[in-house]
Amino acid sequence: SQKIEQNSEALNIQEGKTATLTCNYTNYSPAYLQWYRQDPGRGPVFLLLIRENEKEKRKERLKVTFDTTLKQSLFHITASQPADSATYLCALDEGGYNKLIFGAGTRLAVHP
Amino acid sequence: GAVVSQHPSRVICKSGTSVKIECRSLDFQATTMFWYRQFPKKSLMLMATSNEGSKATYEQGVEKDKFLINHASLTLSTLTVTSAHPEDSSFYICSARMGQGEESPLHFGNGTRLTVT
Repeated sequence: SQKIEQNSEALNIQEGKTATLTCNYTNYSPAYLQWYRQDPGRGPVFLLLIRENEKEKRKERLKVTFDTTLKQSLFHITASQPADSATYLCALDEGGYNKLIFGAGTRLAVHP
Repeated sequence: GAVVSQHPSRVICKSGTSVKIECRSLDFQATTMFWYRQFPKKSLMLMATSNEGSKATYEQGVEKDKFLINHASLTLSTLTVTSAHPEDSSFYICSARMGQGEESPLHFGNGTRLTVT
């Protein structure tokens, strides 16, 4: 069956450290993968997109990698801040059906 | 930037009544909008794809007669939960793409918390 897996346990890190979140998928062949941030009671906000032919993408303190062999994407936040505390969702396309499928998200808590 | 407005943000209704949720793209036209449902600590579940001027495409297991979707214009889609029951209580979120390409990111509304008593 098709699955998108993100670590369901919250990730607690200290301010200034690098946070690394994982997204694994099974039985999908996505052309791209996207990462979103969701705060409690709010809709998700788009952060980054990475295509299947890209190994890495950066935006300010954010970095995303995409390994189609491992079927995995890693999402890094460097020099983390308490304001980065949120739930981070990965999403991928379902092969030409014009729709995004989301993982359950990983909650990140950055402590001062 | 692209803004999607969703209304109401919270609604409480009695079992058996219907509730309408509106989703508007404020500064862009959206030929396609997507309706998601989210349970606590669970992933966003795609319910249906709303197409302007045509019928919505529902995901497997989603009752189209229960969740009525109307996409009457390029900036407005509505979701009506008919004959609501307590199990319909959930967080409903709409989204839209500003660009034409499928890889264009989704812009989400801030969701509607529906509580059916």
